[in-house]
Amino acid sequence: LAKTTQPISMDSYEGQEVNITCSHNNIATNDYITWYQQFPSQGPRFIIQGYKTKVTNEVASLFIPADRKSSTLSLPRVSLSDTAVYYCLVGPYNQGGKLIFGQGTELSVKP
Amino acid sequence: EAGVAQSPRYKIIEKRQSVAFWCNPISGHATLYWYQQILGQGPKLLIQFQNNGVVDDSQLPKDRFSAERLKGVDSTLKIQPAKLEDSAVYLCASSLGRNDEQFFGPGTRLTVL
Repeated sequence: LAKTTQPISMDSYEGQEVNITCSHNNIATNDYITWYQQFPSQGPRFIIQGYKTKVTNEVASLFIPADRKSSTLSLPRVSLSDTAVYYCLVGPYNQGGKLIFGQGTELSVKP
Repeated sequence: EAGVAQSPRYKIIEKRQSVAFWCNPISGHATLYWYQQILGQGPKLLIQFQNNGVVDDSQLPKDRFSAERLKGVDSTLKIQPAKLEDSAVYLCASSLGRNDEQFFGPGTRLTVL
């Protein structure tokens, strides 16, 4: 599975748009990019998954450039409740059941 | 729809003692996973079940950890004897099948003194 690199931490303020970028230079042709969110004292939760270009759902958008060597998770107008750790995972569709988490990005949203 | 249930939520034991964790997956989910999450790190897969059979236990420390899912529904993870480095949150997850979205439980926080 491709190695991912993402910032350890990020700070933001309520109402701002937050973009978290993940690098995955060794992504394979059949790999998907998946983001999970984890609140304190809870298990991770699936946010979004994509293969190329742009994917949007009710929670976030995922931007993937043509070379697919990086991806950006975009959270529109964050609130205090978006404070969490965000993980970028790269691998076969839904990882073939074997999720490999990195260290994640700890997002802190301030009032 | 009920989520993945885990118990206990917290457990404190002394090293060399044994401990067991219980997980009840979402109804109908054939695949069940146990993860270990050490503070400040992402979760690490310990074992994956498909119904009552083990699919992947390559990262399970088999000298002290064991897991079972006898009837293909709920599962238990046991540590015997526990070491200080086993202090972590143990997360259970389930999915309809191996390639489907995984749903995580709240976890059991284990502290080994």
